[in-house]
Amino acid sequence: DAKTTQPPSMDCAEGRAANLPCNHSTISGNEYVYWYRQIHSQGPQYIIHGLKNNETNEMASLIITEDRKSSTLILPHATLRDTAVYYCIVRTLGQAGTALIFGKGTTLSVSS
Amino acid sequence: GAVVSQHPSWVICKSGTSVKIECRSLDFQATTMFWYRQFPKQSLMLMATSNEGSKATYEQGVEKDKFLINHASLTLSTLTVTSAHPEDSSFYICSARSRRDGDTQYFGPGTRLTVL
Repeated sequence: DAKTTQPPSMDCAEGRAANLPCNHSTISGNEYVYWYRQIHSQGPQYIIHGLKNNETNEMASLIITEDRKSSTLILPHATLRDTAVYYCIVRTLGQAGTALIFGKGTTLSVSS
Repeated sequence: GAVVSQHPSWVICKSGTSVKIECRSLDFQATTMFWYRQFPKQSLMLMATSNEGSKATYEQGVEKDKFLINHASLTLSTLTVTSAHPEDSSFYICSARSRRDGDTQYFGPGTRLTVL
């Protein structure tokens, strides 16, 4: 699976949009981009995933560039409860039996 | 999303004893479950992949005789830490693959193991 690069940390003011970038320049055509987050002392929480089109759900939006080499997770109105480590993971379609491999992620700190 | 539970949420045991951790998929069937552990200030590390009805596949460096995994049904996998030692103290997290959600992996809340 392709490697991802994320900034180690980001800050965001409560109520503002949090835009978390992820680079995956070696992504191949059959690889999905997944986003998870982990709040302190909890298991990771699934946020969203996509292949090439932008995706939106009740939690966030995922914007994938046309060349698919990078993506941005957008939390439209960050709250204090969104403080967590956010992981961007790329996984090959058809390898659903293989586990997600976690990097170091981005620690997002939301402050009032 | 799908729900995965773990039990217990935390456990303290004496060195040399064995501890069993249960992982259940509550509202879906999971043919594949995964076990991770996480040390303080580190990311999740995959320990093993568990397929229902077959032997688990362990990652390099994980002792299969120490970390026994059983996946006897489509909703339950167990991890038994045998002869636990203080260095086994960690946060153990399971996840399950949900076919109905495009093979998305959902994670349990984790189990904090402390070995005295």
